[in-house]
Amino acid sequence: DAKTTQPTSMDCAEGRAANLPCNHSTISGNEYVYWYRQIHSQGPQYIIHGLKNNETNEMASLIITEDRKSSTLILPHATLRDTAVYYCIVRAYSGYSTLTFGKGTMLLVSP
Amino acid sequence: NAGVTQTPKFQVLKTGQSMTLQCAQDMNHEYMSWYRQDPGMGLRLIHYSVGAGITDQGEVPNGYNVSRSTTEDFPLRLLSAAPSQTSVYFCASSYSARVSDTGELFFGEGSRLTVL
Repeated sequence: DAKTTQPTSMDCAEGRAANLPCNHSTISGNEYVYWYRQIHSQGPQYIIHGLKNNETNEMASLIITEDRKSSTLILPHATLRDTAVYYCIVRAYSGYSTLTFGKGTMLLVSP
Repeated sequence: NAGVTQTPKFQVLKTGQSMTLQCAQDMNHEYMSWYRQDPGMGLRLIHYSVGAGITDQGEVPNGYNVSRSTTEDFPLRLLSAAPSQTSVYFCASSYSARVSDTGELFFGEGSRLTVL
């Protein structure tokens, strides 16, 4: 599976959009991009995933560049409860594949 | 619907002791896995199972044993605990490990283990 690069930490003001970048320049055509988050001391929580089209659900939006070498997770109106570590993961689309978590981005949402 | 249940939530062991971390899911999920998380680190995969009777090693399997006799349960055994195994352990499950599935993993609340 391709490796990902994320900033170590980011800050965001409450009510503003949080845009979390992820670089996956070695991604191959059969790999999906997944986003999870982990609120302090809890188990990680699935947010969203995509292949090449932009995706949106009730939690967030995922924007994948046309060349698929990077993506951005967007939390449209960040709240204090969105303070968490956000993990960007790529996963092969063939056979069985486990999820490999890196160190992620620590997002701090402040009042 | 309880989801993924881990027990115990906290445990203190002495070096050399053995114990089992329990994980149960009530969602009829085919895939189950164990991760460990150390301070400042991401999650590292220990073992996983793609169905009853089938297990495989992850990134850091040494010192741990697993078995999968039922769909619901996936216990993690430490045969001789070492201080290096002090960590937070997470069990996770999904409908399938096949990537044609959504890939959504459901995690338990974690088990915090300290080995003295």
